Amino acid sequence: NAGVTQTPKFQVLKTGQSMTLQCAQDMNHNSMYWYRQDPGMGLRLIYYSASEGTTDKGEVPNGYNVSRLNKREFSLRLESAAPSQTSVYFCASSEPKPYSGANVLTFGAGSRLTVL
Amino acid sequence: AQSVTQPDIHITVSEGASLELRCNYSYGATPYLFWYVQSPGQGLQLLLKYFSGDTLVQGIKGFEAEFKRSQSSFNLRKPSVHWSDAAEYFCAVGAASGGSYIPTFGRGTSLIVHP
Repeated sequence: NAGVTQTPKFQVLKTGQSMTLQCAQDMNHNSMYWYRQDPGMGLRLIYYSASEGTTDKGEVPNGYNVSRLNKREFSLRLESAAPSQTSVYFCASSEPKPYSGANVLTFGAGSRLTVL
Repeated sequence: AQSVTQPDIHITVSEGASLELRCNYSYGATPYLFWYVQSPGQGLQLLLKYFSGDTLVQGIKGFEAEFKRSQSSFNLRKPSVHWSDAAEYFCAVGAASGGSYIPTFGRGTSLIVHP
């Protein structure tokens, strides 16, 4: 059982280049999330998708776009990468109870992005 | 909106010693509470959660946490730490009703284990 799979695991970009981080889950979860993790900042939510066909901004959405391709896949795109986007990116999925914070997330292994 | 504070950025313990990681939350009602662990180079994994009932909850890898409403705390404990417990630990809080169902994470506590 793979859970949440992210690709690539590592990527180096030059400022201004674009790239897409891919995420897929095989648990039939409705909700998916993209977080970034920076030293001393914990996890910050970039975008999330409550269900197939919907996406919403999180705490730090600037410079990013997302696509919920289908129920399994949720991609994160950097259109013009900046050094401030150097970070570790985590995708997660969950099956939350409606209107409830009883929401256990399953995380991928992360994608380490460096922007020069 | 809910918030979480993990007061300790780093904790250093000797192998075999007991451990307590602190977590304080802010939320107007009974929250849902979580502890996640992140081993080096890995994603986060759920250690344990509190939704209701017994305020002392058991998790994986011998960890436990106690919900104390009067102190707005959900501290993580382990009686005897193993070297493999070295990792980053995150506390998270979810709203019981209304607001966002997405949990809010603390900034994490890095556990260092000395042999």
